[in-house]
Amino acid sequence: SAVISQKPSRDICQRGTSLTIQCQVDSQVTMMFWYRQQPGQSLTLIATANQGSEATYESGFVIDKFPISRPNLTFSTLTVSNMSPEDSSIYLCSVEDLAGGGETQYFGPGTRLLVL
Amino acid sequence: TQLLEQSPQFLSIQEGENLTVYCNSSSVFSSLQWYRQEPGEGPVLLVTVVTGGEVKKLKRLTFQFGDARKDSSLHITAAQPGDTGLYLCAGAAGAGSYQLTFGKGTKLSVIP
Repeated sequence: SAVISQKPSRDICQRGTSLTIQCQVDSQVTMMFWYRQQPGQSLTLIATANQGSEATYESGFVIDKFPISRPNLTFSTLTVSNMSPEDSSIYLCSVEDLAGGGETQYFGPGTRLLVL
Repeated sequence: TQLLEQSPQFLSIQEGENLTVYCNSSSVFSSLQWYRQEPGEGPVLLVTVVTGGEVKKLKRLTFQFGDARKDSSLHITAAQPGDTGLYLCAGAAGAGSYQLTFGKGTKLSVIP
C-alpha cells in the first residue's frame, strides 16, 4: 500500500486567510483525491486531481474556493481560500490502489483545520 | 446518486461482546471497502470485497458482501477496546469510475 503524508497536520487560521495543504505519496499514482470530513461526519469528495489536467470538482465545490495543483505523479496541493469558520474540517487526500484494480483508496493522516 | 446507509450510527458495548455493523444501498456496487478511522488519523483500509456473496475474515472481523452487491456487513467477535473507532463503508460504482460513496459511519466504543 502507498504511504501518504500531509502537511500541515493541523492549523488554526483566521477568517479571510488561505491555507495550502500538501499531500506527498511514496509512489507514482495517476489519481489523487481530496476529501473533507466535517466534525462527526463522514467523508465528502471535494475533487479528483489528475496529473497534467485540471482537477474535477464535485457538486458544491468550486475551483475559486478550493484550487488544486498536481505538478507530478507523487504530489498535490489543496488550497482553502478566503476561509470562514464553516471551513473548519479535516481535509484528507487519498490515492487509488492500482494493485487492487483502482477501486480501493488509501488515505493520508489528514489536516485538521480550525478557522476562527 | 448512489447512497449508502450505515447502521447503527453509534454503538457502545462491553469488552468481549459481539457486534454487527450494516451497510445497505438500493444501488449495485462493483466493490465495497471497509475502513476504520481512529481519532486524529485518516481512514485505514480493512478489507475490499468484490464478489457477490463473498465472505472475508480478518482475525476477529468477518466481512460479507451481499449476493446482489447492494449491501455488506461487518461482524466483530469478542470486541476489544482496541476495536474502538469510526467504521466506514465505501462503495465503488465501477465502470471506469474511481469515485467512492461513503456511508455516514458507525462510531464504536468498546468499554473495558
